Amino acid sequence: DVVMTQSPLSLPVTLGQPASISCRSSRTIVYSDGNTYLNWFHQRPGQSPRRLIYKVSNRDSGVPDRFSGSGSGTDFTLKISRVEAEDVGVYYCMQGASWPYTFGQGTKLEIK
Amino acid sequence: QVYLVQSGAEVKKPGASVKVSCKTSDNIFNKNGISWFRQAPGQGLEWMGWTSARSGSTKYAQSFEDRVTLTTDPSTTTAYLEVRNLISDDTAVYYCASDWSDVHPDTADHWGQGTLVTVSS
Repeated sequence: DVVMTQSPLSLPVTLGQPASISCRSSRTIVYSDGNTYLNWFHQRPGQSPRRLIYKVSNRDSGVPDRFSGSGSGTDFTLKISRVEAEDVGVYYCMQGASWPYTFGQGTKLEIK
Repeated sequence: QVYLVQSGAEVKKPGASVKVSCKTSDNIFNKNGISWFRQAPGQGLEWMGWTSARSGSTKYAQSFEDRVTLTTDPSTTTAYLEVRNLISDDTAVYYCASDWSDVHPDTADHWGQGTLVTVSS
């Protein structure tokens, strides 16, 4: 199984400041179709996960452009250019290149 | 329009079975795969398996393959997750999500609202 490792696990951020979350995979996550199936999700308490980023760097419809994804190989990053109050919650990376799909442990973002 | 609507919360005794439904829009059911995930209280997300009405295929996570069955009903565009021999550690919120297929190369893009299954004696 591909192990996904996120850091940090806790991320206190001041409103308006940037934030960055790292995700490392234990091996490359490129599928046979050439796509790197690396997703980022945001989950608020009591809600379903919402996908923010797919295939490393593509924003889902309706996701604010302050969110961006980057990376290649085994190292990936989610960045928030200016944190807003609605961004609190837990962020997960997930690889979908091979079964079983696997997730990072989650990063809890809170406002300082 | 895209939707996945799951059945309501369940309370089951240890050893029992539970069947969770996921009613999807036609475009999801006919083109996409459906994956199932679960999240124990206060824990992270775990993938359980994938199914496709389009291909008739299923794939299970190794830790679930002897207790879980994924099925689909084309007449109602509904996917089902059955878990047998429930134990207290199966207490979790179970999610369905639109997922990969040969004509939909994308993963976990839309999610159901979740179904809480509580296993308690």
